[in-house]
Amino acid sequence: DIQMTQSPSSVSASLGDRVTMTCRASQDISSWLAWYQQKPGKAPKVLIYAASNLQSGVPSRFSGSGSGTDFTLTITSLQPEDVATYYCQQANSFPYTFGQGTTLEI
Amino acid sequence: QLQLQESGPGLVKASETLSLTCSVSGDSVSSSNYYWGWIRQSPGKGPEWIGNIYHSGSTYYNRSLKSRLTMSVDTSKNQFSLTLSSVTAADTAIYYCASCSTSCIFWASWGQGTLVTVSS
Repeated sequence: DIQMTQSPSSVSASLGDRVTMTCRASQDISSWLAWYQQKPGKAPKVLIYAASNLQSGVPSRFSGSGSGTDFTLTITSLQPEDVATYYCQQANSFPYTFGQGTTLEI
Repeated sequence: QLQLQESGPGLVKASETLSLTCSVSGDSVSSSNYYWGWIRQSPGKGPEWIGNIYHSGSTYYNRSLKSRLTMSVDTSKNQFSLTLSSVTAADTAIYYCASCSTSCIFWASWGQGTLVTVSS
């Protein structure tokens, strides 16, 4: 199985900050990576797919980059509603696997 | 707008079988546009993909659960289902049903999730 490792496990930032978090795959997954945002008590919501494509309706302050094994999610100008846990997920091969999450606090 | 809703018992005894159903609205479970899937999340952990099913009945299961897992589609009720046999405390989790396009590169629509607790 492909292991997804996210770092850091938690991050604290201020409103308006730029925040970056990373996801590393245990083997090459090309660009088959999605990023999700999960708020307490809610289902995950997709933000980015295919590494860098913004899902419809997602604010443009979210962006993704990377390919192969190393990926980054960036949030520019942090907003209060961005407090959440963020997960990456590989869709290169079964079984699909998720990272353990990065919790963002303000 | 596709909407998904899980239903099933919230408490299952160890060694018994967990059965959940996902009701689909906004489109047909027979549509060739989607894969239907189950994902679970244990408290404080990342999500775990359980498996996918296509309208034709084709399935893709997480091999870690394959021996205990069955997924099916009921077109007459516009639902799809999951059964997981011989459950243990490790199967305690929030279970989500979800949908993805036929490329299935991300899960676009999710149910609200249902907590299933396995008791001894």
